Parts: sequence; structure tokens; C-alpha cells
Amino acid sequence: EVQLVESGGALIQPGGSLRLSCSASGFTVTSSYMNWVRQAPGMGLEWVSVIYSGGSTYYADSVKGRFTISRDTSKNTLYLQMNSLRAEDTAVYYCASELGIGVFHIWGQGTMVTVSS
Amino acid sequence: QLVLTQSPSASASLGASVKLTCTLSSGHSSYAIAWHQQQPEKGPRYLMKLNSDGSHSKGDGIPDRFSGSSSGAERYLTISSLQSEDEADYYCQTWDTGIRVFGGGTKLTVL
Repeated sequence: EVQLVESGGALIQPGGSLRLSCSASGFTVTSSYMNWVRQAPGMGLEWVSVIYSGGSTYYADSVKGRFTISRDTSKNTLYLQMNSLRAEDTAVYYCASELGIGVFHIWGQGTMVTVSS
Repeated sequence: QLVLTQSPSASASLGASVKLTCTLSSGHSSYAIAWHQQQPEKGPRYLMKLNSDGSHSKGDGIPDRFSGSSSGAERYLTISSLQSEDEADYYCQTWDTGIRVFGGGTKLTVL
């Protein structure tokens, strides 16, 4: 079964760091374009970052310079390293894989990140 | 700038049909999009990819009640024979090199 499972969400103080993980099963994370998407409480979906199968990475302006997307082939896992966290980063974070290019095909169940003192 | 615009809300009666609209920004009318459903307190679920010519391919297990169509820069999601479980937020999504974009979402209420 093709599945994505996120973990690593937590309550963290402003300025802190956190790493989210997304474990894939049924396919390899290097064979698909992989994304992080977030949803602040009561708000819509916001794209955060993508890593292409070839390794190129891209970020939304709101997280550029603070967040880093990466993957571990041996663990078949996608990561999001989040530094210099702000209150406005509070959200449920989803990972999603693309069907071909661009279409978010498989979604994880999400992990909650709360940035608060 | 690549932008998707959706109406914030829509409503229709149980058993009726509803057509949701997603509008691509100027200069992007040839772009394909995807539709996603998010039921209350759940994660998003992929519904279909919709091309500019109206052809579409649905995700696994998506009922025939869900269909898509296109006209110019408009992309539509039509849900027929509305059921209570169709009450959800619906998001359109598109992409370009190095960027992915979501519309603001439409909250569908089934009366």
C-alpha cells in the first residue's frame, strides 16, 4: 500500500528548531517529487517546499532561508528541517508526493507544529 | 504571478448537483490543475487532475459523481447526487517550475 506517515510535530518556542519526518511506503521518495504543505488553524493549504527526484529544492518565500527539505534514501524518508521558528509557522504540516509532475497524489495524515512561548 | 482564485463558500441540497469554480490568473489559462477534498478534521485527498481541454483523470476510488471540466481560464469540479459526506473544503492546485500553488479553497455545505 502506498502511504506517507509524518512525525516530529511538537510545541516549540519562538526561535527554536524542529525536524519533521515523512516515512514513505509502497514507493521510493527518490522516484517522485516530494512536497511539504502546511495548514494554519482555520486556514487553507499553503505550499512550503518541494524536492525534485533529481535533488533540486525549492521553497515558498515565507520559509526561504529558514527551512530545508531533504531525503534519506536508505530510510525512504523525507525531512523538513525548520529553524528560526515563528508563531506564524504554527500549522499542521503534511507531506505529499506528486503523480508525474505537479499533481499532489498521495497525502500524509499531517503532524502539528505549535510555535509558542 | 501564478494564482488560483476560488469562491469561499458554496451550498447545495442533498441529492442535487453543485459546480465549483477555480480561476487561473491571467496568462496561465493553459495550465492543468488538480482538485483535492478535505473533509472536516481530516487531511486532504486527491480527487482528480484536470487539463485545459477538460480531460481529467481521477484518483483511485473517486466516485463517478465527481467530474471536471474546463473553459478558458476556468476549471470546474461538478459533484452530482450530493451526499452528506461531500460536505468538505475543496482546493484547486497547480504548479510551475519551482513552485506549487493552492487556491484559497471553497467550503461546500450540503443542505
